[in-house]
Amino acid sequence: KNQVEQSPQSLIILEGKNCTLQCNYTVSPFSNLRWYKQDTGRGPVSLTIMTFSENTKSNGRYTATLDADTKQSSLHITASQLSDSASYICVVALYYKLSFGAGTTVTVRA
Amino acid sequence: GAVVSQHPSWVICKSGTSVKIECRSLDFQATTMFWYRQFPKQSLMLMATSNEGSKATYEQGVEKDKFLINHASLTLSTLTVTSAHPEDSSFYICSARGRGYGNTIYFGEGSWLTVV
Repeated sequence: KNQVEQSPQSLIILEGKNCTLQCNYTVSPFSNLRWYKQDTGRGPVSLTIMTFSENTKSNGRYTATLDADTKQSSLHITASQLSDSASYICVVALYYKLSFGAGTTVTVRA
Repeated sequence: GAVVSQHPSWVICKSGTSVKIECRSLDFQATTMFWYRQFPKQSLMLMATSNEGSKATYEQGVEKDKFLINHASLTLSTLTVTSAHPEDSSFYICSARGRGYGNTIYFGEGSWLTVV
């Protein structure tokens, strides 16, 4: 069973709208939790990195939250743009051992 | 920021041949590099971890004689898929961690391998 579960598997939103992606994990202990954006056929690009003591981290229109007690994280995309269409991957790291979620595929439509 | 470059970005090879994929850290010394494999709509699967100057550590189920990994310098790691078969067709991604970069791991752009 995967130690990092993401939901939903995919979603479609209209340009300009907001959306929230969920990540539940069982990895324990962990060093940090990361969110990556992966365009189709490209390597992942880091969006946010949060240690277990951080509750929120923002990067432009992306805001990640972390609740280490419930082992949940979310990634909120504000005012979505067409370029936000990608797969978003939640990664839980114990030092340099990374556990990957399967990703949420976001499609932004005009 | 730090950049990790992979080459080639895509390659088609005949079954039975070998193909080499390079992973370079362009502006930092990568003490550790990681190689992943990703099938469509699936998460990245770690294949092996390599530290500069030492043998790679392979994940369970990954054939070390088939997927040869070399990390000869602090800026270059290579993955060679030997005697490739169609089932080896996949997206291969490397990542690198460098000195002084803390917890940051940078990913390469990935390499598409198609074995025909």
